[in-house]
Amino acid sequence: GAVVSQHPSWVICKSGTSVKIECRSLDFQATTMFWYRQFPKQSLMLMATSNEGSKATYEQGVEKDKFLINHASLTLSTLTVTSAHPEDSSFYICSAGTGPYNEQFFGPGTRLTVL
Amino acid sequence: AQKITQTQPGMFVQEKEAVTLDCTYDTSDPSYGLFWYKQPSSGEMIFLIYQGSYDQQNATEGRYSLNFQKARKSANLVISASQLGDSAMYFCGLTMDSSYKLIFGSGTRLLVRP
Repeated sequence: GAVVSQHPSWVICKSGTSVKIECRSLDFQATTMFWYRQFPKQSLMLMATSNEGSKATYEQGVEKDKFLINHASLTLSTLTVTSAHPEDSSFYICSAGTGPYNEQFFGPGTRLTVL
Repeated sequence: AQKITQTQPGMFVQEKEAVTLDCTYDTSDPSYGLFWYKQPSSGEMIFLIYQGSYDQQNATEGRYSLNFQKARKSANLVISASQLGDSAMYFCGLTMDSSYKLIFGSGTRLLVRP
């Protein structure tokens, strides 16, 4: 199957700093990517849909100024957590797919810890 | 609004036996897709099986089969001949015709006993 990578796999930062997470589709072009957030022992919550060349679409309750998404090319989407706080500590996972009835390919996830 | 429900937070199964993980969904879209993913402790999401709303037959992939009952809006995952490596979280997911968005249920933690 197709491969999606994420970088970094884990990051620790101080409160108030910004953190950028990259999501890359390695062997296919993804016009649409998705960002999820997962707290321990909970499900994946969809944060936003990242569209190449246009603004991201955020789910209700997700602060777009807090979680900046950029999808500059068909293989790269980035999520920037701005002014991170301890409550932003979570597991962030991206995915990419080729259609609503096709398998979505998930990245390995990024574990963010804000001190 | 669309919704996915998994009512079993945790399940035990004896090695080599079969187990059914429940999933019900709610959507007004006539065209949709149902997915099951496995998430081991490493955190990666592993695709298991897919069922389209217009598929006439239940999907099967090796030891995984999907018991699709459209009228009941249920899409239960059946794992046959359980193995120790099947111990993981299992998520049921739903996509709709209108978007690529994949939303997940709360998950079921499966523990396979030797």
